[in-house]
Amino acid sequence: KAGVTQTPRYLIKTRGQQVTLSCSPISGHRSVSWYQQTPGQGLQFLFEYFSETQRNKGNFPGRFSGRQFSNSRSEMNVSTLELGDSALYLCASSSRGQFQETQYFGPGTRLLVL
Amino acid sequence: GENVEQHPSTLSVQEGDSAVIKCTYSDSASNYFPWYKQELGKGPQLIIDIRSNVGEKKDQRIAVTLNKTAKHFSLHITETQPEDSAVYFCAASLNQAGTALIFGKGTTLSVSS
Repeated sequence: KAGVTQTPRYLIKTRGQQVTLSCSPISGHRSVSWYQQTPGQGLQFLFEYFSETQRNKGNFPGRFSGRQFSNSRSEMNVSTLELGDSALYLCASSSRGQFQETQYFGPGTRLLVL
Repeated sequence: GENVEQHPSTLSVQEGDSAVIKCTYSDSASNYFPWYKQELGKGPQLIIDIRSNVGEKKDQRIAVTLNKTAKHFSLHITETQPEDSAVYFCAASLNQAGTALIFGKGTTLSVSS
């Protein structure tokens, strides 16, 4: 079974632009969560989508948004990019998104904001 | 707010020695505690997890213990090998489903042969 895939793997943007990242979960998985990883703040939870609905949200500004499609694929969008948004963005999927299920991570998208 | 503290931040051992990483969490409602290994250029990979109704779990050379009263959990790796060198993260669930995790800052483990 193929793992979690994320596209693109690398991205360079300039301040003020917006960016969209894509995540395809493991086949059959219905929950997708997004995390931001930086050297200073570590791994931080952004939000989780299940059955096309945002179910949980971390403590990030409204510039960070996401959505999930009927095939469980998910996208996250960051508008008005800031230098501090440079990070590795990881998505993780789990099967039913119910009780204490394992999350499987993708390789991440590395975003550099200049 | 919720917090997970992880120690040590770096750990160097000789091949064959044991390695222990400790984490404490603040939210008593957390009930799921996974450990992830991250190698350079890759996403985190689950190595073991433990749920709140279990005190200890073992998988070959890796074991995890959980003390819910003290709100701490630990990772034990025995007979370390050079390929165990990586960054290890502990995490605690922010929700019942375990789909929102709060992570420790990570431990860089170096195993020298």
